[in-house]
Amino acid sequence: DQQVKQNSPSLSVQEGRISILNCDYTNSMFDYFLWYKKYPAEGPTFLISISSIKDKNEDGRFTVFLNKSAKHLSLHIVPSQPGDSAVYFCAASGGSGGSNYKLTFGKGTLLTVNP
Amino acid sequence: NAGVTQTPKFRILKIGQSMTLQCAQDMNHNYMYWYRQDPGMGLKLIYYSVGAGITDKGEVPNGYNVSRSTTEDFPLRLELAAPSQTSVYFCASGSSQPYEQYFGPGTRLTVT
Repeated sequence: DQQVKQNSPSLSVQEGRISILNCDYTNSMFDYFLWYKKYPAEGPTFLISISSIKDKNEDGRFTVFLNKSAKHLSLHIVPSQPGDSAVYFCAASGGSGGSNYKLTFGKGTLLTVNP
Repeated sequence: NAGVTQTPKFRILKIGQSMTLQCAQDMNHNYMYWYRQDPGMGLKLIYYSVGAGITDKGEVPNGYNVSRSTTEDFPLRLELAAPSQTSVYFCASGSSQPYEQYFGPGTRLTVT
């Protein structure tokens, strides 16, 4: 059973517009959420994170929103740039048994930013 | 500062062969992880370690073994390779707070 779901396998946006990537989770024990970006033939790189005590975290062009009641988070990229074209993974940690240091990943969303 | 390094980058194995994927980190992280990524799928945790001498199974440990004799190194051993182990393998490391993990560049393994 997938505990972290990214229901959109792909997303295409125009350069300069906003990209919104969505992620849903089912485990109410998750309390820390992360977004990773992955280019082809490279390892994932950490992008931004948010703790469950917050509902928004911003870093430059990237903002993550968390809606705990809906078990939903989203990553906003404004403005989108062609270099943002990559696969974006949502990940979550937390839960019982001291598993805070283990991450559960979604399947990823391929973002394509068209010039 | 090299971060997390993995060798080799690519490898082709015949069914039944064995090999070790190497992983090293220079960030003095206590936590290290091995993941596999199959096409169209997220990353699945194979094994992890919370410190030298301590390892534990993740979600998909069958067919693999690990050891953690030093803080820096976390090799993954494949015994009796099978076609189902064809995948891209990522090693990662992290500290206890916050829980971000830092990934190596990956090893693409094909078993034929």
